[in-house]
Amino acid sequence: KQEVTQIPAALSVPEGENLVLNCSFTDSAIYNLQWFRQDPGKGLTSLLLIQSSQREQTSGRLNASLDKSSGRSTLYIAASQPGDSATYLCAVKGGLWGGGNKLTFGTGTQLKVEL
Amino acid sequence: ETGVTQSPTHLIKTRGQQVTLRCSSQSGHNTVSWYQQALGQGPQFIFQYYREEENGRGNFPPRFSGLQFPNYSSELNVNALELDDSALYLCASSPFITNTEAFFGQGTRLTVV
Repeated sequence: KQEVTQIPAALSVPEGENLVLNCSFTDSAIYNLQWFRQDPGKGLTSLLLIQSSQREQTSGRLNASLDKSSGRSTLYIAASQPGDSATYLCAVKGGLWGGGNKLTFGTGTQLKVEL
Repeated sequence: ETGVTQSPTHLIKTRGQQVTLRCSSQSGHNTVSWYQQALGQGPQFIFQYYREEENGRGNFPPRFSGLQFPNYSSELNVNALELDDSALYLCASSPFITNTEAFFGQGTRLTVV
């Protein structure tokens, strides 16, 4: 069974800091990994998709890396802003044991960027 | 190109009642998945529909059922509501190709009292 863990569970940083969010998964036979942002009570906004054959993806101030063999991904946020405050979720699609075409999510990292 | 839309945004039901949630998939997407997100948790996979047939199911009881229509929109039905069914229900659409991006709607907040 695929399991996804995100560390830390919560993070509070001053504006302008660069930060790293971590995601690990137990079954490395994934199709892809996706990072999402979720504002309180809202749906999920896709940030970055990394295919299993890729090492990283970049979008603006965001950079996500994937090390499939070790079951790890990191989301790097440069020059954080108060508007980045949200919960960040990591999800993997696939896996040998019943992963199929569904997404398996971590519990998220709640980020607060303070002025 | 329209995104994924869900309705209603919020609703309150009484324990034992039945509820239907709706989802319109993004244009060009023939696969719809439903997820349940309890407060403070990550979303949990309920089931997926592809071309009007169920294509995978998570660890949810049979009182959770669904439909997909020819236009690829979908419904999630929950019978005999329990207090623990209170959650945010999320719909995601994607092409059926396994390595493509999933796009989520804004969710339906269900409260069971």
